[in-house]
Amino acid sequence: NAGVMQNPRHLVRRRGQEARLRCSPMKGHSHVYWYRQLPEEGLKFMVYLQKENIIDESGMPKERFSAEFPKEGPSILRIQQVVRGDSAAYFCASSPAGGLAHEQYFGPGTRLTVT
Amino acid sequence: TQLLEQSPQFLSIQEGENLTVYCNSSSVFSSLQWYRQEPGEGPVLLVTVVTGGEVKKLKRLTFQFGDARKDSSLHITAAQPGDTGLYLCAGANAGGTSYGKLTFGQGTILTVHP
Repeated sequence: NAGVMQNPRHLVRRRGQEARLRCSPMKGHSHVYWYRQLPEEGLKFMVYLQKENIIDESGMPKERFSAEFPKEGPSILRIQQVVRGDSAAYFCASSPAGGLAHEQYFGPGTRLTVT
Repeated sequence: TQLLEQSPQFLSIQEGENLTVYCNSSSVFSSLQWYRQEPGEGPVLLVTVVTGGEVKKLKRLTFQFGDARKDSSLHITAAQPGDTGLYLCAGANAGGTSYGKLTFGQGTILTVHP
């Protein structure tokens, strides 16, 4: 399967715990994007990363949220001290270097539930 | 802030009917994407349109980008139950601080009854 991979697919956390969401881009893709889909809302951009660089984090909440895309390994979206309002589907997308950044291919998502 | 408005929000039709979904904005986009999303899955890219007035066809689906690159439409001919799903439009800009950021519409939930 050469598509974007995300894990876990489902994650349950209690309030105050940390959530770590992983994303492996499509083979050959070096640009990664994270989006959040809240219940009854559309997809909202969170952050755009290239290898070892955050390009645009204008959609990330100022506190508790962070993202990284290391030289080796998957991209990680980390949410510290989760609250009920963080419950949502988090999607990762990727695009190739030198290609059209807007042609983004999405993973299956991680459904985060905060109890 | 760029916004994309999709209409209708819900569409329920019989198999064999035709339908059109609209995606409108007051802002200009350098490209517009259409995605389809199934429950519990991620959006799947259907098409990208980049030129004002461009028309692309994908089997029974026809996509159009407005001349001013502010709006787009998706037309499905002879809809089938397999077309059921959430259809999303997303706009992008080629440069500046918004590069790489997709702005999504709220989506259109299409149900095609056999």
